[in-house]
Amino acid sequence: QVQLQESGPGLVKPSETLSLTCAVSGFSISSGYYWGWIRHPPGKGLEWIGNIYHSGNTYYNPSLKTRVTMSVDTSKNQFSLNLSSLTAADTAVYYCARLAVSPKPYFDYWGQGTLVTVSS
Amino acid sequence: EIVLTQSPGTLSLSPGERATLSCRASQSVSSSYLAWYHQKPGQAPRLLLYGASSRATGIPDRFSGSGSGTDFTLTISRLEPEDFAVYYCQQYGSSLSITFGQGTRLEIK
Repeated sequence: QVQLQESGPGLVKPSETLSLTCAVSGFSISSGYYWGWIRHPPGKGLEWIGNIYHSGNTYYNPSLKTRVTMSVDTSKNQFSLNLSSLTAADTAVYYCARLAVSPKPYFDYWGQGTLVTVSS
Repeated sequence: EIVLTQSPGTLSLSPGERATLSCRASQSVSSSYLAWYHQKPGQAPRLLLYGASSRATGIPDRFSGSGSGTDFTLTISRLEPEDFAVYYCQQYGSSLSITFGQGTRLEIK
């Protein structure tokens, strides 16, 4: 059974950088698939942040591209998100998920989500 | 960037009724690249349909999807109590760019 688990700080100060990690179990990241981050701000809809492949190739939401960095650590079977220059608008539940791409793309496994609050 | 607009914003129905949810894209989307999820409070989204009409593993056949081009529909034939949730459509575009609709809240009438 594929499982994903997000970890990271629940509270971050404005202007700082958020670092989240997604640990994957039951499936090897190196076996394929893309891996993504999605967030859900309170009272709003889902927002895609970006995807990463085990090779390190990344694809980011254009609206966040200048602030986002994603990386993958195949030895630990995990991938990470860094989001810089935080503001209150970045407050959200952050999810990691597995993205099947071919032939029909979809996020099939999701972490439980972690709430990140940006506040001084 | 392709924008997905879902309607209605809120749909109030009773168990046993039929639900029809719409997802309209700002430009044509391949039906292969359109998926639907639902999300219950405090839970992660769950994949319902992919490729516009293929049910994900474990999804009952009361859920069906259709559409092409810019107009897609999710239909729930007979609502069960566990179906009341927020529904999102999602498209996958060039350069692995992904967008979600803003969601339709399906609530018990």
